[in-house]
Amino acid sequence: DQQVKQNSPSLSVQEGRISILNCDYTNSMFDYFLWYKKYPAEGPTFLISISSIKDKNEDGRFTVFLNKSAKHLSLHIVPSQPGDSAVYFCAAGDTSYGKLTFGQGTILTVHP
Amino acid sequence: SQTIHQWPATLVQPVGSPLSLECTVEGTSNPNLYWYRQAAGRGLQLLFYSVGIGQISSEVPQNLSASRPQDRQFILSSKKLLLSDSGFYLCAWSPWTGMNTEAFFGQGTRLTVV
Repeated sequence: DQQVKQNSPSLSVQEGRISILNCDYTNSMFDYFLWYKKYPAEGPTFLISISSIKDKNEDGRFTVFLNKSAKHLSLHIVPSQPGDSAVYFCAAGDTSYGKLTFGQGTILTVHP
Repeated sequence: SQTIHQWPATLVQPVGSPLSLECTVEGTSNPNLYWYRQAAGRGLQLLFYSVGIGQISSEVPQNLSASRPQDRQFILSSKKLLLSDSGFYLCAWSPWTGMNTEAFFGQGTRLTVV
């Protein structure tokens, strides 16, 4: 049972344009959500998070949007840069358990 | 500052051999500790997590086990490796305080079972 899903295995974007990565979840108990970035042969690094009481959180070029009714969140990267090329994982957490459930990841490629 | 160490970085083991991967965290006390696996083309699957010494929760039935002999040490083991155990193994920790918090990952171990 995949509780966190990233339905797009890959995304290709031109440098300077917007990258939009999507994530859906099924468990209503999740109360916070995170995005991680991962390069090959390295551990994921934390990018940005959002609590379920908010619908938007912004940090520089990165913005995460949460639609609780649709159980959907997205990560917007504006403007996209070649250095953003990596695998992006969406994760969801339940405060009462303290563990994260990850999606399958989306490979983002930003072309110069 | 907190750091997490995971070793080895790569490992090639024959089928049926034992496994021991070690992870240690520095600069924090009583962290939550996690073992994740990323199989080829797949997402990050939570294998085990621990909220304290000797407390291990298993998320999926498998050929692996975990132990936490010390507060900041987390070990992933197997008595006999299977081909299907190949993958990228990641240790992580979080400063669990009951609030929303991220997990911090080690550099990972690429395990190839041959």
